[in-house]
Amino acid sequence: DTGVSQDPRHKITKRGQNVTFRCDPISEHNRLYWYRQTLGQGPEFLTYFQNEAQLEKSRLLSDRFSAERPKGSFSTLEIQRTEQGDSAMYLCASSLPGTGDTGELFFGEGSRLTVL
Amino acid sequence: AQTVTQSQPEMSVQEAETVTLSCTYDTSESDYYLFWYKQPPSRQMILVIRQEAYKQQNATENRFSVNFQKAAKSFSLKISDSQLGDAAMYFCAYKVQGGSEKLVFGKGTKLTVNP
Repeated sequence: DTGVSQDPRHKITKRGQNVTFRCDPISEHNRLYWYRQTLGQGPEFLTYFQNEAQLEKSRLLSDRFSAERPKGSFSTLEIQRTEQGDSAMYLCASSLPGTGDTGELFFGEGSRLTVL
Repeated sequence: AQTVTQSQPEMSVQEAETVTLSCTYDTSESDYYLFWYKQPPSRQMILVIRQEAYKQQNATENRFSVNFQKAAKSFSLKISDSQLGDAAMYFCAYKVQGGSEKLVFGKGTKLTVNP
């Protein structure tokens, strides 16, 4: 299957610990996005990469959050010093060259974070 | 700031019947895209249908169609001949054309399809 894959699917951690999520986009997609979805809400935009360049960041992406896409392929999202409010589903999406502007995104199944 | 409002937290429909999900949005932009995304339980979100704001003709994809009212800033989704596999969360989303890459989502409508 060549869909967007995310790892781990579920992470339980204690408050104050660091966590890292990985996203592997569809291979020919050069655009990659991270969204956060809390219970009962729609996804909220966090950040966007075109190839290895991080071109847009939301105010939601506090100093404790950092995202990278070092070689323009997979991406990581790290949350430092986790707080209970960080508990959410973290969604990764990618899009084809030329179609990213149209908003047609391919989403992964998400990484669910539970902070105790 | 752009906002998307879905006023129906939950909807239900009988199999083979038609259901309409509502969405309104607020923007000062003239060029933008609107979307309906479907999120089945424990599965990834997928695009159902897309509408460009400059097009007057309503988009249609098989059993899915939209009623786009630009002046009213309304974008409803009609699902005809509902099937059990249509049961999911449906999210309305907005994206400005040529600007931010951000998709702005509504809170979603949970659709139940009764056999």
